[in-house]
Amino acid sequence: ETGVTQSPTHLIKTRGQQVTLRCSSQSGHNTVSWYQQALGQGPQFIFQYYREEENGRGNFPPRFSGLQFPNYSSELNVNALELDDSALYLCASSLAIKETQYFGPGTRLLVL
Amino acid sequence: GENVEQHPSTLSVQEGDSAVIKCTYSDSASNYFPWYKQELGKRPQLIIDIRSNVGEKKDQRIAVTLNKTAKHFSLHITETQPEDSAVYFCAASSGDSNYQLIWGAGTKLIIKP
Repeated sequence: ETGVTQSPTHLIKTRGQQVTLRCSSQSGHNTVSWYQQALGQGPQFIFQYYREEENGRGNFPPRFSGLQFPNYSSELNVNALELDDSALYLCASSLAIKETQYFGPGTRLLVL
Repeated sequence: GENVEQHPSTLSVQEGDSAVIKCTYSDSASNYFPWYKQELGKRPQLIIDIRSNVGEKKDQRIAVTLNKTAKHFSLHITETQPEDSAVYFCAASSGDSNYQLIWGAGTKLIIKP
């Protein structure tokens, strides 16, 4: 198992609500990437944070936003939830930008 | 942008036989190619990765080959065991500054006893 943790493990929300997901990176890792994995599909890149700054973004709307803290833990915020946001949200931490990414267990979000 | 295609979507092999999964990518600037194994309800786990300055890498029963000219890379698992049953994903790096991973659609590997 990696040292990457995520909370909560499961979450149920209704359409239009807002959600915050949390990720603790592995000790010594300064880069966190977030991915969305719909059922039966490969993960899709949302964005990456490096030393508290956003360092690249995938094809996701602005209602997906994030934050990285001085201890390199990170949050993913999603506003105005839609049914299609139901997915497994994975964070991955790495020692630096171009290093191997190690994944947390994910947060499974269900939007009703 | 980068696009990664993975084949086959499902692969069923007899225990003890070899399994090969293939991926192609579109961005010639990609230089990092990891393979992840994901069991049902679990996190993706890195099983092997290769960088573009290397053509092949082995780790016990698992090997990855990379052909940069043809823009394809493959995962080889020898002497398959029941615990190898899972979904396998290939990925390719995209973007020089942020190194996001672009993933294939996955291959469900079934090991028949």
